[in-house]
Amino acid sequence: QAGLTQPPSVSKDLRQTATLTCTGNNNNVGDQGAAWLQQHQGRPPKLLTTRNNNRPSGISERFSASRSGNIASLTITGLQPEDEADYFCSAWDSSLTAWVFGGGTKLTVL
Amino acid sequence: QVQLVQSGAEVQRPGASVKVSCKASGYTFTNYLVHWVRQAPGQGLEWMGMIRPGNGVTTYAQRFQGRVSISRDTSTTTVYMELSSLRSDDTAVFYCTRDSGSFEDWGQGTLVIVSS
Repeated sequence: QAGLTQPPSVSKDLRQTATLTCTGNNNNVGDQGAAWLQQHQGRPPKLLTTRNNNRPSGISERFSASRSGNIASLTITGLQPEDEADYFCSAWDSSLTAWVFGGGTKLTVL
Repeated sequence: QVQLVQSGAEVQRPGASVKVSCKASGYTFTNYLVHWVRQAPGQGLEWMGMIRPGNGVTTYAQRFQGRVSISRDTSTTTVYMELSSLRSDDTAVFYCTRDSGSFEDWGQGTLVIVSS
């Protein structure tokens, strides 16, 4: 099944801002938006932002999401060492009638 | 608080089946979809399917059609995922996740190793 496209890796300096992208199409990201998940090694994924770009309770304001057409973005401000993790986007695909994920972006904080 | 507690790790032979459980608590079980997501070692997340616990209706990813079965027991608020005809490339961590619009809550994951 076709998935969403994410850059494999992004590196940014401590306290800088990172913007991760997720490219889909009119049937998924462009239709109902994308959610963002963070995963540390050996841990389950954690929801950072919903498909409506809202943050669940307990998620830092440093994480924010947006969408422009078929591209969803996750912006992380004031990067901290604990932000080093894998980040996945996910969206419902109305054509496939299936959830699809991006391949994930490994964020390195230098 | 919402909790999803999964069954323990398993080792299975190629060709066998595995059934993983996901015990839900802390919310009204029948009101939220539950999904199963697979993650092979060092790889990304892969959606397998979902169930609507209220009526048992399921939807499966095309690539798992015919091999996966998701069920639930409302009396024990438990969701099950059974994967049959296991192959070595089915070795992965399997997660259940609750959906209230997005994947809000996750189980701890169940490692399934397929090896002869």
